[in-house]
Amino acid sequence: DSGVTQTPKHLITATGQRVTLRCSPRSGDLSVYWYQQSLDQGLQFLIQYYNGEERAKGNILERFSAQQFPDLHSELNLSSLELGDSALYFCASRGESHGANVLTFGAGSRLTVL
Amino acid sequence: AQSVTQLGSHVSVSEGALVLLRCNYSSSVPPYLFWYVQYPNQGLQLLLKYTSAATLVKGINGFEAEFKKSETSFHLTKPSAHMSDAAEYFCAVRRAGNQFYFGTGTSLTVIP
Repeated sequence: DSGVTQTPKHLITATGQRVTLRCSPRSGDLSVYWYQQSLDQGLQFLIQYYNGEERAKGNILERFSAQQFPDLHSELNLSSLELGDSALYFCASRGESHGANVLTFGAGSRLTVL
Repeated sequence: AQSVTQLGSHVSVSEGALVLLRCNYSSSVPPYLFWYVQYPNQGLQLLLKYTSAATLVKGINGFEAEFKKSETSFHLTKPSAHMSDAAEYFCAVRRAGNQFYFGTGTSLTVIP
């Protein structure tokens, strides 16, 4: 158990729908990162938060949005889903202490869009 | 911008043979480099990290990586492959602003 919790583990939905993926970081970690892993695109950085504030955006579509709440959990919202959005979505958190500063990943949420 | 390139999307080795997974980085300043492993149906786990303290970095499960500035490389090695090493391996770099970017991954197959 990495300490990063992601729910749900699996999600099957239809095109055009909207889903929300949730992530709880490791205790004490202030930063949350979202990544998308698909067979043809590899591991793509989506967005980064630090203590509730957005810090960086990667290849995140306009149909996708995220936020980090005061209790530091984060949610990734995916709307108007398309078949191509089927992928594994990973959340990772980052420790702040010197010598840490690595990403710790959750087990992922597998999204299937039919 | 700092990035990493993994050469070879698939590598096959025999059990007991040397494992060599290649990663090259592009950076104008000393980078922070990482190797992660992803076992089937799991998230990524940190194998090892380079933070300029030592050029040879030892990680978990017998893996190590050597930072070679002259070759801009950070290849991952293990002297003797085990069946349990079969997984996807990712090289990553930490950029300014604590952004982490990953290579495209190398799938390691271990042949009994």
